[in-house]
Amino acid sequence: EDQVTQSPEALRLQEGESSSLNCSYTVSGLRGLFWYRQDPGKGPEFLFTLYSAGEEKEKERLKATLTKKESFLHITAPKPEDSATYLCAVQAPGSNYQLIWGAGTKLIIKP
Amino acid sequence: DVKVTQSSRYLVKRTGEKVFLECVQDMDHENMFWYRQDPGLGLRLIYFSYDVKMKEKGDIPEGYSVSREKKERFSLILESASTNQTSMYLCATLGTAKGGYTFGSGTRLTVV
Repeated sequence: EDQVTQSPEALRLQEGESSSLNCSYTVSGLRGLFWYRQDPGKGPEFLFTLYSAGEEKEKERLKATLTKKESFLHITAPKPEDSATYLCAVQAPGSNYQLIWGAGTKLIIKP
Repeated sequence: DVKVTQSSRYLVKRTGEKVFLECVQDMDHENMFWYRQDPGLGLRLIYFSYDVKMKEKGDIPEGYSVSREKKERFSLILESASTNQTSMYLCATLGTAKGGYTFGSGTRLTVV
């Protein structure tokens, strides 16, 4: 069964303490992997799309990487405003832009 | 930027009521989606639409229906609301996969 698993469920960091969030998937023939950020009470906000192993994308303090079985969202020197839930999703073969979603990682950055 | 507008942020309805959730986009995107989001379960697809008057069931369509009479509007209908439909409902639109989904702000529905 196609599945997306995110870890950890929650992560508390001090401001400036770099770390990584993990998204592992069991989908054959990946067509795309997506990262989103979601603030409380709001809809998810698109961050990145990755298509092939070895690909990397960056935006401010965030960098997403992709291997054949997982993706990492690296956060460098985070600030309190980076606190949010980060969602990962994959597009499986044969799907018309339908995504399989992970449950998310709740990131809390303490000042 | 694409804007996706959901008509209500918070809604409280009684069991058995017929509930309409409205979603409007201001770009010419063909693909629109309705999800529900519950703690620990992630986003689950209810229905989606690739074109006007076209609809397809997602993973959890039971108890829901949809309507897409115009390209910019996609409505989710709860035929007879039940307490297990209490949830956050999210509408999304998609132009190209590279751009990712654009979500609305969500409607938090409580059925009492």
